[in-house]
Amino acid sequence: QVQLVQSGAEVKKPGASVKVSCKASGYTFTSYGISWVRQAPGQGLEWMGWISAYNGNTNYAQKLQGRVTMTTDTSTSTAYMELRSLRSDDTAVYYCARGVSGDPGDYWGQGTLVTVSS
Amino acid sequence: DIQMTQSPSTLSASVGDRVTITCRASQSISSWLAWYQQKPGKAPKLLIYKASSLESGVPSRFSGSGSGTEFTLTISSLQPDDFATYYCQQYNSYTWTFGQGTKVEIK
Repeated sequence: QVQLVQSGAEVKKPGASVKVSCKASGYTFTSYGISWVRQAPGQGLEWMGWISAYNGNTNYAQKLQGRVTMTTDTSTSTAYMELRSLRSDDTAVYYCARGVSGDPGDYWGQGTLVTVSS
Repeated sequence: DIQMTQSPSTLSASVGDRVTITCRASQSISSWLAWYQQKPGKAPKLLIYKASSLESGVPSRFSGSGSGTEFTLTISSLQPDDFATYYCQQYNSYTWTFGQGTKVEIK
């Protein structure tokens, strides 16, 4: 069965970076892309960007351009999302989901809480 | 960017009620619309894709309709497990956009 398993919770100071992983299993990793979505406490869902696991092409949300990098390691079927220059309003649960532009998110990871606090 | 607007933001209903949630896109997205259910502390769950296609395993009391800019999610007979927040999402453009969510509460 398809599974996306994310790394554990992180606590970071303002200005630091965080890298969240998303390990896929149960399907051919390079046949689908991975999107990243975050949800601040008590708020809605915010799309962050996606990466094609086939060729590494990316598309990032404009508001995060320059601070976010998405990568994949096809040898381990793992996607990564790195966010730099963290601010308090980056505190959120970060989700990975299978699917990119033209696809809905049909499988989701369990979420990773990133807390940014001094 | 395509904007998605859901209504209402909150909905109070009783078990057995028929419930309808509306989603409007700022420009035509054809039928590239999905609906998700999210419960507290859990990841979103895909219910409907391509506006009206039921995801495998999702109960048939859920249905979706619409195309272009106007879409609806209907729950034909609300069950206790259905109290949750629902999001629409467009995946027509090079980006994803979510509606702001509709919380379905117990009346």
